[in-house]
Amino acid sequence: DTEVTQTPKHLVMGMTNKKSLKCEQHMGHRAMYWYKQKAKKPPELMFVYSYEKLSINESVPSRFSPECPNSSLLNLHLHALQPEDSALYLCASSQAGQGTNSQHFGDGTRLSIL
Amino acid sequence: KQEVTQIPAALSVPEGENLVLNCSFTDSAIYNLQWFRQDPGKGLTSLLLIQSSQREQTSGRLNASLDKSSGRSTLYIAASQPGDSATYLCAVTNAGNNRKLIWGLGTSLAVNP
Repeated sequence: DTEVTQTPKHLVMGMTNKKSLKCEQHMGHRAMYWYKQKAKKPPELMFVYSYEKLSINESVPSRFSPECPNSSLLNLHLHALQPEDSALYLCASSQAGQGTNSQHFGDGTRLSIL
Repeated sequence: KQEVTQIPAALSVPEGENLVLNCSFTDSAIYNLQWFRQDPGKGLTSLLLIQSSQREQTSGRLNASLDKSSGRSTLYIAASQPGDSATYLCAVTNAGNNRKLIWGLGTSLAVNP
């Protein structure tokens, strides 16, 4: 069982739909991450939140909009996605300090864009 | 620019063998190195994290070593089991930026009963 919970596990949406991915952790971590992973590739970093503030945006298109409502929750709002956005979206969390920063991952949301 | 390479890309072994997975990185100025496991269609599980000042870490049948000066790490799996079948990913964080993981492409391991 993972300590980072992502919902939904699977999502199919059309290119004009609006949906949100959700991530929750209760480990007291103050850094949270969104990654995109295509088949047989390593994860690609999208966004990092540190103490609920966006600290890294890896030049992600604006059709992806992250939100961190509190220290336990991380959302990814999706709008007008393209077929090439179909992928596994992973959330992770870690301690936010300069010490050990082992990242803990959720099981991901498998997103398919029709 | 930091680059991480994992060899071999795929490995198939009979159950019970001891095996070694290799990871190399081009810039020795790392903050730490982490080994992950990923089962098909699942998220990543952190196996071992080695800080730049450490030489090795152990957890059960797993032992990871780090030689920062030569830019190498190995993951040793003792007495492999079919349940060890998965993709193993190595990732480093560069000194001064411990948020961003730089990943290898992984080693796909199959342990056959």
